[in-house]
Amino acid sequence: DIQMTQSPSLLSASVGDRVTLSCKASQNIYKYLNWYQQKLGEAPKLLIYYTNSLQTGIPSRFSGSGSGTDYTLTISSLQPEDVATYFCQQYNSWWTFGGGTKLELK
Amino acid sequence: QVTLKESGPGILQPSHTLSLTCSFSGFSLSTYGMGVSWIRQPSGKGLEWLASIWWNGNTYNNPSLKSRLTVSKDTSNNQAFLKVTSVDTADTATYYCAHTGYYSGNYYVMDAWGQGASVTVSS
Repeated sequence: DIQMTQSPSLLSASVGDRVTLSCKASQNIYKYLNWYQQKLGEAPKLLIYYTNSLQTGIPSRFSGSGSGTDYTLTISSLQPEDVATYFCQQYNSWWTFGGGTKLELK
Repeated sequence: QVTLKESGPGILQPSHTLSLTCSFSGFSLSTYGMGVSWIRQPSGKGLEWLASIWWNGNTYNNPSLKSRLTVSKDTSNNQAFLKVTSVDTADTATYYCAHTGYYSGNYYVMDAWGQGASVTVSS
């Protein structure tokens, strides 16, 4: 099984900050990685697919990068509506989600 | 517009079988590349993929739960189903179904989710 580890588990940042969330796979997942955003009380929403492709309708302040085992979600300028938990998901072998990074405002 | 909605028993007793229905619109499970996945989330915790069913009838289950899961579909009525046998308190969670698409370039995405169905296993 491929394990996905996200860090940090909790991140506090201010409006306008550049925010970076990390996701590490236990083996090479060949960029087969998606990112989801889950706001409190809501279902997850797809943000980024195949490491760096922005889903339709998602603001351009969100971007993804990475390769091999290490991946990153970046928010270029944090907005209040970005407060949420973010999950990475690999699909190189079945589907596995990371444990999530909870993003809050400082 | 793709929409999905889960329905289930709400509460059930240990050792019983959990049956969930996903009713959807905006796509067909007979169309190439279309699928429905089931994912669950215990309160305050992370996401766990359970199973997926595809347009061609292929099904895939999480190996850690494989023998307890059965996923099926009714293409004519735009529904997908999940059964989980021998439930216990560890199966208490919100259960989501999600439209899962396979797109050229080897993209697999869960790009539309239902609101979730809360399931509590308790005696």
